[in-house]
Amino acid sequence: EAQVTQNPRYLITVTGKKLTVTCSQNMNHEYMSWYRQDPGLGLRQIYYSMNVEVTDKGDVPEGYKVSRKEKRNFPLILESPSPNQTSLYFCASSPRLAGATDTQYFGPGTRLTVL
Amino acid sequence: AQSVAQPEDQVNVAEGNPLTVKCTYSVSGNPYLFWYVQYPNRGLQFLLKYITGDNLVKGSYGFEAEFNKSQTSFHLKKPSALVSDSALYFCAVRPYRDDKIIFGKGTRLHILP
Repeated sequence: EAQVTQNPRYLITVTGKKLTVTCSQNMNHEYMSWYRQDPGLGLRQIYYSMNVEVTDKGDVPEGYKVSRKEKRNFPLILESPSPNQTSLYFCASSPRLAGATDTQYFGPGTRLTVL
Repeated sequence: AQSVAQPEDQVNVAEGNPLTVKCTYSVSGNPYLFWYVQYPNRGLQFLLKYITGDNLVKGSYGFEAEFNKSQTSFHLKKPSALVSDSALYFCAVRPYRDDKIIFGKGTRLHILP
């Protein structure tokens, strides 16, 4: 089954404790992206990657890191989480056809609480 | 600054009536436009997109959207609403020659039985 998986689905942590949220897709998509969803703010793009070893900042990259060592995986790293990073996080992937970023497929989401 | 606006936080429609969820954008060049739907406790699902060509695009679950370049709008429509259409709807845009994706804040659609 074609899908995007995220782990963990729920995480409660404390300020300053490094964490990683994993994202994996089995569709051989070039483009992968991380978003955070907050009430009243919709989805905001954190980072995206056009292909292996190619990453770029979205609109809200501060406090986050990403890496793309393999095409299928795109982990989101919070080196020192803070309470304002409490949010619902979505990973997404899409094929990049003829230079265009096409329809995105979203993971189920990770609800992160930073105390 | 490039942006997407969904002017209504919530839209209420009686079942069987037509529905419209509004979206306007402010980006340079010719954008790619998308609508996604989010059901409770779920990730986003693709509904439809406009890349080029016919301004009226048809998508999943009987939804359609019309691209209006002069008004920079991409409103989502359905002729006859179902209670099961109740969800959170997001408009998104990929600006021309840009790899970022910009989402609107979302519109919650309530279909009243």
